[in-house]
Amino acid sequence: ETGVTQTPRHLVMGMTNKKSLKCEQHLGHNAMYWYKQSAKKPLELMFVYNFKEQTENNSVPSRFSPECPNSSHLFLHLHTLQPEDSALYLCASSQSIAYNEQFFGPGTRLTVL
Amino acid sequence: QKEVEQDPGPLSVPEGAIVSLNCTYSNSAFQYFMWYRQYSRKGPELLMYTYSSGNKEDGRFTAQVDKSSKYISLFIRDSQPSDSATYLCAMSASVGNTPLVFGKGTRLSVIA
Repeated sequence: ETGVTQTPRHLVMGMTNKKSLKCEQHLGHNAMYWYKQSAKKPLELMFVYNFKEQTENNSVPSRFSPECPNSSHLFLHLHTLQPEDSALYLCASSQSIAYNEQFFGPGTRLTVL
Repeated sequence: QKEVEQDPGPLSVPEGAIVSLNCTYSNSAFQYFMWYRQYSRKGPELLMYTYSSGNKEDGRFTAQVDKSSKYISLFIRDSQPSDSATYLCAMSASVGNTPLVFGKGTRLSVIA
């Protein structure tokens, strides 16, 4: 595997379900990011981790819970989501937060019923 | 006023045309400017990265920054059907824990 990978690629869940999104980067980077991409809106930064420490939580509702066990892996735990949370969730990485160049994964297309 | 404005398109051009994609911004502190290309069902891919004003060329792609007008452009020469994608501009005021601010993206179709 190369670059940034995300699983699953597609996810359909009910509002009462609990699920997790997984991201893995194979670039030797130390910063990882979660973004939300909705139709006709700019990318919204959700969370930032630098060397496994969370450095940014962009006022994200608590029904989204990130986890970064090491610099290569990032999870987004989801519970009691709302239909408006349906979107493409993108993971990205960079050498560290001192570097602007971010490399994105293919995203997880989430549908909340 | 939104921080970054980008016409969503769609923009449709014939193969071989020169394409001009643009973003305007309001924050004069922005110094780092990026263009990402996003194919359908894929994540954004970094195309060009520039600092401050001026031009940068990479093959058929030229990025241009005019800080005095708060305006950035991406030119694509000899456009190909494989250039059909959504192009996102992004910018930042500095390096080091400063979030990237993205435009909404412009959808481009190059017709063979």
